[in-house]
Amino acid sequence: GAVVSQHPSRVICKSGTSVKIECRSLDFQATTMFWYRQFPKQSLMLMATSNEGSKATYEQGVEKDKFLINHASLTLSTLTVTSAHPEDSSFYICSARGLSSPLHFGNGTRLTVT
Amino acid sequence: DAKTTQPTSMDCAEGRAANLPCNHSTISGNEYVYWYRQIHSQGPQYIIHGLKNNETNEMASLIITEDRKSSTLILPHATLRDTAVYYCIVRVGDNNDMRFGAGTRLTVKP
Repeated sequence: GAVVSQHPSRVICKSGTSVKIECRSLDFQATTMFWYRQFPKQSLMLMATSNEGSKATYEQGVEKDKFLINHASLTLSTLTVTSAHPEDSSFYICSARGLSSPLHFGNGTRLTVT
Repeated sequence: DAKTTQPTSMDCAEGRAANLPCNHSTISGNEYVYWYRQIHSQGPQYIIHGLKNNETNEMASLIITEDRKSSTLILPHATLRDTAVYYCIVRVGDNNDMRFGAGTRLTVKP
């Protein structure tokens, strides 16, 4: 079945630094990928839609200059959290869909900003 | 997109069937019912989806009422590893982004 790989699974960074998270579709091409964020004891919240070869579409309230998304190929999207602050600490999850399959999710990246 | 309503939590005995309900009374004709689950600290896992007919796969069965206003996900023989939050999502088939509600926290007990 469709597999979405996310890396790293965990990252700790200092306040003010930037962190990049990768999302790969391993056995299918994905023109569109999605980035979610999940705070403890809450549901997943869609942050942005990543489109291959074009700009990402951000949900209301998500700062595009803080959460940089790049979708340079049909199998890779990256999310960069810039100038990270402790309140950015969260569980970040990506997802992608092949041509005829439902949306599949990566296993998430737990970001801790100290 | 149609809104869904699910119970906040449910318990189930190990080995018994787990029946998770979902109400989607405002569903429109071209919207599918999707079920995902999320085990603690992992990404959501696709379970099953359907439009009108009941569906079954190796993981679960999906029963959709004739008027499509509600559905039930059935895990026929629940195991401890089925403990998770289960999300029912209604979405047009060719729309990709899934928007999650609060889901049902299923606890399978020995």
